[in-house]
Amino acid sequence: NAGVTQTPKFQVLKTGQSMTLQCAQDMNHNSMYWYRQDPGMGLRLIYYSASEGTTDKGEVPNGYNVSRLNKREFSLRLESAAPSQTSVYFCASSRDRGNNEQFFGPGTRLTVL
Amino acid sequence: KQEVTQIPAALSVPEGENLVLNCSFTDSAIYNLQWFRQDPGKGLTSLLLIQSSQREQTSGRLNASLDKSSGRSTLYIAASQPGDSATYLCAVDQTGANNLFFGTGTRLTVIP
Repeated sequence: NAGVTQTPKFQVLKTGQSMTLQCAQDMNHNSMYWYRQDPGMGLRLIYYSASEGTTDKGEVPNGYNVSRLNKREFSLRLESAAPSQTSVYFCASSRDRGNNEQFFGPGTRLTVL
Repeated sequence: KQEVTQIPAALSVPEGENLVLNCSFTDSAIYNLQWFRQDPGKGLTSLLLIQSSQREQTSGRLNASLDKSSGRSTLYIAASQPGDSATYLCAVDQTGANNLFFGTGTRLTVIP
């Protein structure tokens, strides 16, 4: 039981390049989330998926797109990376919305030059 | 917009001491409040979740309290150990959608 896995662990991009961050969970959870963590700002929600087939914007969605590929997988895409997107990205999942704890992946450290 | 604040940003205590971490939030209309632990370079681990109707939750040496009216929560750690050294984050869910607003955390160091 791996929990929440993320790939890659590290990535360096040049401005304007695109990439997709992958996330998968093996806990049969309905809800999945993408956060970014920046020094001094705490974690901020980018997008979430309450259930398979649905996605919604969080607090900071600009510059990102997401795909809930199936119940297990939720990917985050940067179409044209900018230095302001340098951050650590975390994927999380929970059984459902409501009073359910979130389980986090180990994170992807992204640098955009 | 909900603002979540954690003070102090860093705290050092000797091993064995009891300690309290603080979390405050600006909008008292919350669905739940959650405490997490983050070790350096790692993801977050959920510690406690307090529903809006509850006043406290306990797990082992950890006790979290919630006072919605004053917009405050505390995390009490009893008999601290070096293994408790980590950053502790609180987060608020306002609507039940599990969309969390996080504080910036308190970095705890327990000195052997």
